[in-house]
Amino acid sequence: SAVISQKPSRDICQRGTSLTIQCQVDSQVTMMFWYRQQPGQSLTLIATANQGSEATYESGFVIDKFPISRPNLTFSTLTVSNMSPEDSSIYLCSVDGGTALYGYTFGSGTRLTVV
Amino acid sequence: TQLLEQSPQFLSIQEGENLTVYCNSSSVFSSLQWYRQEPGEGPVLLVTVVTGGEVKKLKRLTFQFGDARKDSSLHITAAQPGDTGLYLCAGDDYKLSFGAGTTVTVRA
Repeated sequence: SAVISQKPSRDICQRGTSLTIQCQVDSQVTMMFWYRQQPGQSLTLIATANQGSEATYESGFVIDKFPISRPNLTFSTLTVSNMSPEDSSIYLCSVDGGTALYGYTFGSGTRLTVV
Repeated sequence: TQLLEQSPQFLSIQEGENLTVYCNSSSVFSSLQWYRQEPGEGPVLLVTVVTGGEVKKLKRLTFQFGDARKDSSLHITAAQPGDTGLYLCAGDDYKLSFGAGTTVTVRA
């Protein structure tokens, strides 16, 4: 299965600023997925990123707040813009394993605290 | 809107005891997947179930998929402290929809 390198692993940011999270995959993948997770809780899908097209956002998430780049088949970034304390969360990227039996592979997450 | 209900939310048991986690969906996905997540890490796939009535075993873990492909369960026999973690069921429909998760704590 793919190996994902996600960074930063954690950050503390001032409200009103922006943070860009990077995910690098060791193989080419068509789609990459970005999730948000409150500590101890489940994952909520933010958006799906296809290379060469605009990301598809889930209900409740907008491009102005969470712009995504997908410049090639191995890399993607998620930016959390104009942050507020409510954005404090864990953000994870994920890729499809190719078949249902392989499931999805996840990065280790970025723990964001907004003060 | 597809919805996955997972129960219980929390489980705390003694080492050696058995436990079961349940996952019920309001609709049918192409597959249902179970993940375990430890603090500071992303979820890791345990198993994928696809066929109604399917039973899969992974050492001390047994996964069942209902005939209607809407409900699933995870049973752990003789739990060990290493089984501690957040267990998540997820429905796959070209993207994952997660249940609320079950936090399992196995006390030594």
